[in-house]
Amino acid sequence: AQSVTQLDSQVPVFEEAPVELRCNYSSSVSVYLFWYVQYPNQGLQLLLKYLSGSTLVESINGFEAEFNKSQTSFHLRKPSVHISDTAEYFCAVVRHSGGYNKLIFGAGTRLAVHP
Amino acid sequence: GAGVSQSPSNKVTEKGKDVELRCDPISGHTALYWYRQRLGQGLEFLIYFQGNSAPDKSGLPSDRFSAERTGESVSTLTIQRTQQEDSAVYLCASSPRDRAGTDTQYFGPGTRLTVL
Repeated sequence: AQSVTQLDSQVPVFEEAPVELRCNYSSSVSVYLFWYVQYPNQGLQLLLKYLSGSTLVESINGFEAEFNKSQTSFHLRKPSVHISDTAEYFCAVVRHSGGYNKLIFGAGTRLAVHP
Repeated sequence: GAGVSQSPSNKVTEKGKDVELRCDPISGHTALYWYRQRLGQGLEFLIYFQGNSAPDKSGLPSDRFSAERTGESVSTLTIQRTQQEDSAVYLCASSPRDRAGTDTQYFGPGTRLTVL
């Protein structure tokens, strides 16, 4: 069955430093991958997703993630973070089950950006 | 436009009481999901609706949990005889069709349930 592992529960980083949030998945079939973000006191929202095509996907606020089939990874990166990027980030994979599909989420990584 | 709304935003109840949590999805969204988020943990899938049918109830933790959906609109998650381990944030999400599982899910702000 498809599953997701987020290797870091917390990532502290200074403002303007680069960051990588790691995500590994297990899947034996077609892979659809997502990153969702939860800002403090807000609901989850989609950051970016990989369905097919180019393995590098980007969000509008400077994050990018690369689908790496050989390493079964979908790590999220940003070259220079801002205070406003402080949030919890969830990686997710589509699980195929019984004729329909659903998202399986990782445990989340809390990104804390310090001045 | 209006997003997914949930009510109440906070609910404090005593152990053994029943609670009802409500979710209003985005108009026209046929798929609706309920998740549970315990403190410091990720999202735990509870149940999925396609229209008013629930093809996947596999995530409901016990028979104390049930959910209904009226047509393609409001959904109610009911927890009977609440226990302290039920304390969590309950999140609802909706998406347009989602038979492929690839549609973006739009999340509500959640209901924070505290069982004393």
